[in-house]
Amino acid sequence: EAGVVQSPRYKIIEKKQPVAFWCNPISGHNTLYWYLQNLGQGPELLIRYENEEAVDDSQLPKDRFSAERLKGVDSTLKIQPAELGDSAVYLCASSLGPSAGEQFFGPGTRLTVL
Amino acid sequence: GQSLEQPSEVTAVEGAIVQINCTYQTSGFYGLSWYQQHDGGAPTFLSYNGLDGLEETGRFSSFLSRSDSYGYLLLQELQMKDSASYFCAVRAGYSGAGSYQLTFGKGTKLSVIP
Repeated sequence: EAGVVQSPRYKIIEKKQPVAFWCNPISGHNTLYWYLQNLGQGPELLIRYENEEAVDDSQLPKDRFSAERLKGVDSTLKIQPAELGDSAVYLCASSLGPSAGEQFFGPGTRLTVL
Repeated sequence: GQSLEQPSEVTAVEGAIVQINCTYQTSGFYGLSWYQQHDGGAPTFLSYNGLDGLEETGRFSSFLSRSDSYGYLLLQELQMKDSASYFCAVRAGYSGAGSYQLTFGKGTKLSVIP
C-alpha cells in the first residue's frame, strides 16, 4: 500500500513569491492534515479536512495561507506571498477518520524562503 | 491550551535501555501518542496509551499515568538505527469539532553510541 505522497520534496523561492504544496493521502483515508514543522520542533497543525470540508483551520494564517481538498482526495496548500519566516517543513498526514489513533505522515516539503 | 515537556536530548549506549519522559498539561485529554522521526524523514507512529498502564510493542514500551499527567517511552536493546527524534503527542478533544486534535511536544533527540 502506498503511503502519503507529497511534492515537491524541496522548494526554494524568494520572499513575496507564491508557492504551492501537493499531497495525496493514503487511499480510503477521509481525514487529511497539514502540519508545519520548524527545525527542532514538533509538527504543528495548520488545517484538518474531513473529506472535502475544512473542519479545523484555526491555526492557518489566513492572510497568506490557503488550502483546498477538491473531491475529498488530494490536497493543495498555498502560500502567497511567502515570507522569510515561512521557511519550514510542511507535512501532510492522513488517517482513516478523525478519531483514528494513528496518523500517517508524508515525507514533507522543505521550503526555503530567501 | 496544551503544553508538553520532554527532554531535548538523550544519549545512550547500544544495547542499553533508555526512557524518554513526557509531562503534559491539557484539557479534554484522551490519550498520549509517541512518534519517531529520523532526520529528514516522516514522523512514524510508535504507540498510543488511552488508559493508565504499560503498552508493549516489541522493543518499545509506552506508559501513561493520567493522574500524574505523565508518560514515558521505553526503548530496550538499543540499536544504532534507533537514533532519531521521539515526539510525545497529546490527543485531546475540543468542543465544536467532534473529534480529536494531536498536539506534539518539541521532541527528544536520541543518540545511540557504540
